[in-house]
Parts: sequence; structure tokens; C-alpha cells
Amino acid sequence: NAGVTQTPKFQVLKTGQSMTLQCAQDMNHNSMYWYRQDPGMGLRLIYYSASEGTTDKGEVPNGYNVSRLNKREFSLRLESAAPSQTSVYFCASRDRAAYNEQFFGPGTRLTVL
Amino acid sequence: GESVGLHLPTLSVQEGDNSIINCAYSNSASDYFIWYKQESGKGPQFIIDIRSNMDKRQGQRVTVLLNKTVKHLSLQIAATQPGDSAVYFCAEGRKTSYDKVIFGPGTSLSVIP
Repeated sequence: NAGVTQTPKFQVLKTGQSMTLQCAQDMNHNSMYWYRQDPGMGLRLIYYSASEGTTDKGEVPNGYNVSRLNKREFSLRLESAAPSQTSVYFCASRDRAAYNEQFFGPGTRLTVL
Repeated sequence: GESVGLHLPTLSVQEGDNSIINCAYSNSASDYFIWYKQESGKGPQFIIDIRSNMDKRQGQRVTVLLNKTVKHLSLQIAATQPGDSAVYFCAEGRKTSYDKVIFGPGTSLSVIP
């Protein structure tokens, strides 16, 4: 099993450009999450999806959209990137039967100039 | 508002000593708490969790203590090893919205050989 995979690993954008961060998991998990991590701070939840076909806002959803394409894939889109969105983005998934443990991907380091 | 935070941003310990990482939380409605470990350049990795109706839980070389009276959580690492050097996050969740987990800002643990 590859676990949780994310693409790309690194990305540099100019202000106003758009892009989509991809996430996939092969563990048959129902729940998936997108977080951002800024220097010196913990992870902040952007959006989550409790199951295929549902998405909900987290702590910091402004400027982002998500799509739960199927059970495996959960993408995060920046429609018009801003320097404040420079961060490391992590995708995670969870099996509800495991109750609490989330499995994280390796992250995408995004810089917006 | 709700928050989960850490007392100390950095901690240095001698190899072989025990480490104690502390966490304060403000939401008494939290149902469970989780500790994650994040090594440099990687995504967070689940260590251990504890439900709010418990005071203590032990894992392999780790113990989590929960004091609900003062809303305090701690992670104890026995016989700290160089491989324990990482950032440690506490996080809280609630059953009413159990798909959402709120992370604290993290403590950096440095093990001195």
C-alpha cells in the first residue's frame, strides 16, 4: 500500500494563478482532510470530507475549494492564489473504525510570489 | 473560542532521559485527545490517543496523562532516543463532529546524544 500520496511535492505560483493539489489514498478510508501548516504553527484544517459525496469547511476555508472525486481522491483548488496561501499543505485520511488515527501524506510545499 | 496549545515551544533532553511534553486545552467538551509526531520534511504520524473518560494511557515507551480538572495533557517519552527528535503536536476532537480535529502549535523536541 502506498498510503496517502500527494502531488505535486513542490509548486511556485504567481499571485492570481490557479492550481489544484491532488491527494489519493489506497486504504479504503471514508474520511479525508486538507490541512495547511505555517512556520511555527500547528496544522489548521481547511476542508474535510466525511464520506464520498460530502465536504465541509474547516477552520480556514476561505480562498480554497475542494472536490471529493471518489472514495480514493480528494483535491484542493486555489482559484486565485495569494501570498498568504504560501504554506505546506497536507492531506490525510482516516478509517472511522480506527476512530482517531489519521494517516498523512508527505505534503506539498507551495510558494506564492 | 476553542484552542489547543502547548506550554513550551522547544525542549532539549539528554539521550536516555525521559521527556515530558505538555499541552493545555480550553474546550471541556473535547471527547478525545491525540498526540502526533512530525519529523522534518514529513507528514505527522499518529503516536497515541486518549479518551476524555480516561486519566492515563500507555503505549510503547510513551504515556499520555490527562488532567481534566486543569485541562492539561502530557506526553511522556521514556528513555528518549535520537530518533525521537521531532515536533510533537497535541490535538483534540469531539464526537459531535468527530471528523474534525483541532491541532495545537507543536513542541520541538531535540535529543542531545
